[in-house]
Amino acid sequence: SQTIHQWPATLVQPVGSPLSLECTVEGTSNPNLYWYRQAAGRGLQLLFYSVGIGQISSEVPQNLSASRPQDRQFILSSKKLLLSDSGFYLCAWSRGTQYEQYFGPGTRLTVT
Amino acid sequence: ELKVEQNPLFLSMQEGKNYTIYCNYSTTSDRLYWYRQDPGKSLESLFVLLSNGAVKQEGRLMASLDTKARLSTLHITAAVHDLSATYFCAVDGGGSNYKLTFGKGTLLTVNP
Repeated sequence: SQTIHQWPATLVQPVGSPLSLECTVEGTSNPNLYWYRQAAGRGLQLLFYSVGIGQISSEVPQNLSASRPQDRQFILSSKKLLLSDSGFYLCAWSRGTQYEQYFGPGTRLTVT
Repeated sequence: ELKVEQNPLFLSMQEGKNYTIYCNYSTTSDRLYWYRQDPGKSLESLFVLLSNGAVKQEGRLMASLDTKARLSTLHITAAVHDLSATYFCAVDGGGSNYKLTFGKGTLLTVNP
């Protein structure tokens, strides 16, 4: 069976500090990977998606970046956090030829 | 651009009552997904609807898809408190990036 992990689970960071969130998937190969942010207003915002190693597509211009150094690893980064980066960050995966997405447990980020 | 609209966005129900959540979308698609999110938690897949006329049921929840009307419904029968959560519908717009477009979510509160 497939599982998806995210860490850390919670994070409190000062404004201007760097960020690195990690997502890994087990039990499948060549998944599509996605990063979402959910702010206090509940809606999901797609930030990045990847259909393969080193292939990253950005949905929203911002101070965040994503990388996929390995097939089942997806990393969300920032060099300098803003207050507006606070939120619940969700990683998801889907099988290469299907659309249903499976979500990880999420990382709650608070920027102070 | 694919748009997905849910209504209502907020729903307060009494236990034992029935109600329906609606999900309209703006472009042709025959694949629609329903997710549930408990407070502070990640998204959990509820239903996958892959063709016109598809109907899926799980316990007190039943989802259906009418691709001609570009409409999906999530019907709640005899609501119980455990159903209190936020419900999202999501639609795929086709293409090889396998992205989903999510509605804003319906916050359901079931009161005793």
